[in-house]
Amino acid sequence: GAGVSQTPSNKVTEKGKYVELRCDPISGHTALYWYRQSLGQGPEFLIYFQGTGAADDSGLPNDRFFAVRPEGSVSTLKIQRTERGDSAVYLCASSLILSGGADGELFFGEGSRLTVL
Amino acid sequence: GENVEQHPSTLSVQEGDSAVIKCTYSDSASNYFPWYKQELGKGPQLIIDIRSNVGEKKDQRIAVTLNKTAKHFSLHITETQPEDSAVYFCAASKEDRDDKIIFGKGTRLHILP
Repeated sequence: GAGVSQTPSNKVTEKGKYVELRCDPISGHTALYWYRQSLGQGPEFLIYFQGTGAADDSGLPNDRFFAVRPEGSVSTLKIQRTERGDSAVYLCASSLILSGGADGELFFGEGSRLTVL
Repeated sequence: GENVEQHPSTLSVQEGDSAVIKCTYSDSASNYFPWYKQELGKGPQLIIDIRSNVGEKKDQRIAVTLNKTAKHFSLHITETQPEDSAVYFCAASKEDRDDKIIFGKGTRLHILP
């Protein structure tokens, strides 16, 4: 596709359930990022990948959160035992290279809105 | 780690007037400062960026300034138009160390008719 695609766009789940959020980056982008955005706040860094490996996962809030990118393209963010505080928009972004290098512009998807009841 | 503070949280300006959004950062090693615009229901989109080897950059109605000594950077929008209404985020990172980009909390800009 032309841009970053995230599915589902909306997810409502019950406290304690398991959730998977998918990100399909722009073709050829080696870097992929996950951010979380709560209402009225800026994007909060969670994790980023260079290829298949997690280059920095320091933003994951606890061990209930995990992300994979097994083939260096599509990534899945996994949340176990969801809590009401996990409710937010989860944003995925991709870039040609990491960080703010010459081709490091982040291209964001429209996000997956997660609501935990 | 890096911390980015952004002010104001909300800004209303008359159409045609200028808008200024200010940010500070904590890590003196940060050297890349992008600005993103987010419209309702969309992901943020890069509108302009500046690197620490320059003090100012301009692109049509948008300009950014950087004061490395004070660790301040600002976004200036001139001749504001209705389509400028959105949430704007400043951010910072250490470009040459493959660092993550840290965002401010955002400024909601309202352009009044």
